[in-house]
Amino acid sequence: AQSVTQPDARVTVSEGASLQLRCKYSYFGTPYLFWYVQYPRQGLQLLLKYYPGDPVVQGVNGFEAEFSKSNSSFHLRKASVHWSDWAVYFCAAPYMGYKLTFGTGTSLLVDP
Amino acid sequence: EAAVTQSPRSKVAVTGGKVTLSCHQTNNHDYMYWYRQDTGHGLRLIHYSYVADSTEKGDIPDGYKASRPSQENFSLILELASLSQTAVYFCASSDARGHNTEVFFGKGTRLTVV
Repeated sequence: AQSVTQPDARVTVSEGASLQLRCKYSYFGTPYLFWYVQYPRQGLQLLLKYYPGDPVVQGVNGFEAEFSKSNSSFHLRKASVHWSDWAVYFCAAPYMGYKLTFGTGTSLLVDP
Repeated sequence: EAAVTQSPRSKVAVTGGKVTLSCHQTNNHDYMYWYRQDTGHGLRLIHYSYVADSTEKGDIPDGYKASRPSQENFSLILELASLSQTAVYFCASSDARGHNTEVFFGKGTRLTVV
């Protein structure tokens, strides 16, 4: 069955430092993958999406993700974290049509 | 911009009581969804719908009913609320263009059952 796993429940980085949030997928066929962000007391918003093609996908606010078939991964990266990036990040994949399965989320804490 | 509006934003319900969560979208989307968010579980799909007057069970439908009276509106109903249903509930919508279609979420309803 399609699934995504986020192994890190919480990540803390200093403001200005680089960031990587990990996502591993298990997928039959060609994967489509998403990263969503949830700011405090808000719904989820799309950061970026991957469909087969260039393995590096650019998103909003300087985020990017790299798809790796050999590692079954879709890690999220940012070169320089800002305090406003403090949020929960979810990796997701579609299954059985248009439903989404989500990872358990990674809480990003930013040290000033 | 696509919009999904949920009401109420928070609710306290009594065990055994009936709870109705409402959702309205102005995106003209065919698909609507109800997800539940619990710490450590991410979001899990409760019910979804791809056309008015029809609903489908998601991954965790037990204890929940759904109603889609129109394309714009989608409700989640807890006939007999239980303590284990305390969670944050998200409504979402998407169109039917394909696997890479974006899903738009409401801001959530925090339900506390006491």
